Amino acid sequence: DAGVIQSPRHEVTEMGQEVTLRCKPISGHNSLFWYRQTMMRGLELLIYFNNNVPIDDSGMPEDRFSAKMPNASFSTLKIQPSEPRDSAVYFCASSLGQGGKAFFGQGTRLTVV
Amino acid sequence: SQQGEEDPQALSIQEGENATMNCSYKTSINNLQWYRQNSGRGLVHLILIRSNEREKHSGRLRVTLDTSKKSSSLLITASRAADTASYFCATEFWGGNTGKLIFGQGTTLQVKP
Repeated sequence: DAGVIQSPRHEVTEMGQEVTLRCKPISGHNSLFWYRQTMMRGLELLIYFNNNVPIDDSGMPEDRFSAKMPNASFSTLKIQPSEPRDSAVYFCASSLGQGGKAFFGQGTRLTVV
Repeated sequence: SQQGEEDPQALSIQEGENATMNCSYKTSINNLQWYRQNSGRGLVHLILIRSNEREKHSGRLRVTLDTSKKSSSLLITASRAADTASYFCATEFWGGNTGKLIFGQGTTLQVKP
């Protein structure tokens, strides 16, 4: 398995634009997590899914953020409109669920100018 | 909000020395995991300790868990320059049929050759 695959690796966009981050979890994993990492706030859990269903989105900072998981092999995190304070590295991770170790993608480094 | 708090925030040691990192958390957990992050990369799982376990070993890693004090420690023995990285503890809570994985702020370890 190629591991968790995120795209793009780097994204530079202008304030106000829509940004879509993509994630392909490891086949067979039923839990998927989206995290945001910044120097100031560390690694924050934004939302996680189990069997494609959002379980907890309490970490999503604002209504500008939305996440979907239309099937077991694909998830998106969308920011619309983007703001400079959204600049961060966004990680997707997947696991087998309770007690399973999480496998992380390489992350998407987002810069909003 | 972050669940785990780690100390020290940064640690610098000589190759061959042992490195100890501590993690404290606030609420009940089902297990605690330690991850490593090399600069610019995703996190990699190191070891998991269940809430009913007190100590666990894996190679040069030794993890302890004290649920009464809500704390854990990670010991890396005979450190190597290649151990230079950031180390994170993560607490897992089980709800329904999935687990919520919350990360601490991390400890940055530098091992000097």
